[in-house]
Order: sequence, then C-alpha cells, then structure tokens
Amino acid sequence: ILNVEQSPQSLHVQEGDSTNFTCSFPSSNFYALHWYRWETAKSPEALFVMTLNGDEKKKGRISATLNTKEGYSYLYIKGSQPEDSATYLCAFNTGNQFYFGTGTSLTVIP
Amino acid sequence: DGGITQSPKYLFRKEGQNVTLSCEQNLNHDAMYWYRQDPGQGLRLIYYSQIVNDFQKGDIAEGYSVSREKKESFPLTVTSAQKNPTAFYLCASSAHGVYSGANVLTFGAGSRLTVL
Repeated sequence: ILNVEQSPQSLHVQEGDSTNFTCSFPSSNFYALHWYRWETAKSPEALFVMTLNGDEKKKGRISATLNTKEGYSYLYIKGSQPEDSATYLCAFNTGNQFYFGTGTSLTVIP
Repeated sequence: DGGITQSPKYLFRKEGQNVTLSCEQNLNHDAMYWYRQDPGQGLRLIYYSQIVNDFQKGDIAEGYSVSREKKESFPLTVTSAQKNPTAFYLCASSAHGVYSGANVLTFGAGSRLTVL
C-alpha cells in the first residue's frame, strides 16, 4: 500500500483568509493526482485532476499545483468563505489504483 | 439527475451475519469501486470492477465479496469472515478504468455499517 500524506490534518481559518494544504505522494509510478472536496453528509466531489508535472488548475478561488518530480501537490483557497468548510482529499493514481490521503479538514469561521 | 445511489444509509448487523450494501449508478460508467473509511485513515480499496462480470481485489478484500452482473450495479457483501466490519463504506464509479489518467471518480453518499 502506497503512502499518501496530507497536511495539516485540520485547519481553522477566519473568513477572508487565504490558506493552503499539501499532499505528498511517491514520485515514482505517477499517473495522475486528484483533489476532492467532501462536505459533511454529502458525497466527495472532484475538484481537479492533474497529470503533468507543473500543472496548475484553477476553479474560482481554489487552485492547485503539481510537482511530480518531488512528489507533492498544493491546494490553495483564496479569501476563504464558510461554504469552503469541508474535508479536502487528494488521491494518487498509479494507473492501477487510487491511493487516498487522510484528508485536511477545513473550518472557515465567519 | 445522473449519480450513484447507495443503500442503506445506516445498517446494523449482529456478529456472524452477512450483509449486502447496494450501489447503483445511472452514469453509464464502465468502472465501479468500493472503498472503506476508518477513523484516521484514508479511503482504502476493497474491490473494483472495470467491466461487467469482472472484478479485482483491492488492498483489503478479505471478508468481502462483490458481483458485477449489470453495468449499473456493484453490490458489496460483508461476510461473517470480516473481522472488523464496522466502518463507513463508499461506492464510486468512473467513466473508464483507473488506467485512464484523467478519470474522475463519482461517489455515492456512503453506507455506515455497525456490528453490534
């Protein structure tokens, strides 16, 4: 079983603050890196899929970067809003299987 | 609306009983997956299926069984051989198999199984 690590485990920020999380994964056998947002009592929803080293993706106030050579991805949220409160999961795809991190739980305080 | 339906949402089981969790999708996706979530751990793969009548074991398949008789359905049976079945179970699907790098997972809302 491959090790995918996410940090921090949890995070509390004030509304309007910008924040970022990290996903670390093995630098070998890379196929794709996914980010999902999981709100309480809902299903996880896909945010980004990145396949190339140096990829940068953006959706509104949320963006992500990818470094496959060193094995990490950053997720950034600019100007956090209460509706951003969720657990953010990353998933490392080796081409055979997805390996998930434990997630970063974000709470945005109004 | 297209999506994945898991049922039941909550399930209680006595030790020694088999239970089956349902997963149905109307997305016309080829691949379906079952994951298990335990506190402090990432989602772990139990079984996956890339086409009808074919499925592969994941990392924690012991004590579980699946079938894929129809494209839309991928039920998971938790057998009495599973030593620690109390957990949250998530079903997912993707348009193509996991080998397709840009493949996005669509998830159900999950089933929580508690063994009494």
